[in-house]
Amino acid sequence: EAQVTQNPRYLITVTGKKLTVTCSQNMNHEYMSWYRQDPGLGLRQIYYSMNVEVTDKGDVPEGYKVSRKEKRNFPLILESPSPNQTSLYFCASSLGLLNSPLHFGNGTRLTVT
Amino acid sequence: KNQVEQSPQSLIILEGKNCTLQCNYTVSPFSNLRWYKQDTGRGPVSLTIMTFSENTKSNGRYTATLDADTKQSSLHITASQLSDSASYICVVSEGTGNNRKLIWGLGTSLAVNP
Repeated sequence: EAQVTQNPRYLITVTGKKLTVTCSQNMNHEYMSWYRQDPGLGLRQIYYSMNVEVTDKGDVPEGYKVSRKEKRNFPLILESPSPNQTSLYFCASSLGLLNSPLHFGNGTRLTVT
Repeated sequence: KNQVEQSPQSLIILEGKNCTLQCNYTVSPFSNLRWYKQDTGRGPVSLTIMTFSENTKSNGRYTATLDADTKQSSLHITASQLSDSASYICVVSEGTGNNRKLIWGLGTSLAVNP
């Protein structure tokens, strides 16, 4: 089944403890992206990648890192999480941004205390 | 400033009724317009993508329209079902070539009651 898989689904952590949210897609998509979704603010892009070894900042990249060493994986890294990073995170992938839809994972709900 | 505005913010309808959601945008250069459905706590799912030359596009009971002159789009839901309860998000792609960006609306929250 074609899908984007995020793990974990739920995560509770403490301030400053490094964490990684994994994202994997099995559709051979070149484009991958991370979003966060907060009430009243909608979906905001954190980082995106047009292809392997190519990553770029989105609208809210502060406090986050990503890597794209392989086409299928695009992990999101929080080196030192803070409470303002408490949010619902989504990974998405697409063939490209021309006229292809984004396929989203089921989300990771992160709470930083 | 590139913006996507949706109305209404929320909507409650009875099962079986039709409804129309609106999307106005000020995005340039325009590439395409997308509608996504997002169930609570889940990832958005693509309903349709419309390019500049497309006026109407259907996906089952969902019909999207696009007026590129007035920069308006609508999503019409026919014979609503309880499973249509979700947030509907309008997204406009701006830019050209490899330099494209998605501008997201805040969504319309639809509740379909029995």
